[in-house]
Amino acid sequence: EDQVTQSPEALRLQEGESSSLNCSYTVSGLRGLFWYRQDPGKGPEFLFTLYSAGEEKEKERLKATLTKKESFLHITAPKPEDSATYLCAVQDSRGDFGNEKLTFGTGTRLTIIP
Amino acid sequence: NAGVTQTPKFQVLKTGQSMTLQCAQDMNHEYMSWYRQDPGMGLRLIHYSVGAGITDQGEVPNGYNVSRSTTEDFPLRLLSAAPSQTSVYFCASRKTVSDTQYFGPGTRLTVL
Repeated sequence: EDQVTQSPEALRLQEGESSSLNCSYTVSGLRGLFWYRQDPGKGPEFLFTLYSAGEEKEKERLKATLTKKESFLHITAPKPEDSATYLCAVQDSRGDFGNEKLTFGTGTRLTIIP
Repeated sequence: NAGVTQTPKFQVLKTGQSMTLQCAQDMNHEYMSWYRQDPGMGLRLIHYSVGAGITDQGEVPNGYNVSRSTTEDFPLRLLSAAPSQTSVYFCASRKTVSDTQYFGPGTRLTVL
């Protein structure tokens, strides 16, 4: 069974203090690993898709990396507007439900203090 | 493009009542899904559709029905609401199975 574990559950940083969020996963065959941002009362907002180990993607202050067992979301010099819950999900290329299912972690709640 | 839209945004039901959560997308996506999000748990797949006229069950389908008569719409029906169905429901869509999945804004449902 596919599993996704995110750590830490919550993280408080001062503005400008860089850090990383972790997503550990177990899948039969990885079709893709997804990072989403979710603001309170809103739906998940897509950030990145990573397909293979060694791949990296960047967007503004965020950088996502992927190994065979985990992914990191690095946040460089964060601002208060980066405060949100960050969700990681995997899609199994050999999974049930016609590969449609994404298996989500429970998220990391990030708070950036001005 | 409006993307993925959901109505209503909030709903309160009594046990045993039925209702339909609406979902629509204007991106001509073939794949659509319903997820529920509960505290301390990741989003879980309820039902999904790979095209108009084709639907299938996800991992937590009990108590829910779906249909897909058009590419744009994918309503979720609660047949007889139970307190265990209190949750936030998200609809999602994507062009193909390999593309990015885009989520709607969610419906917060409370069953008393």
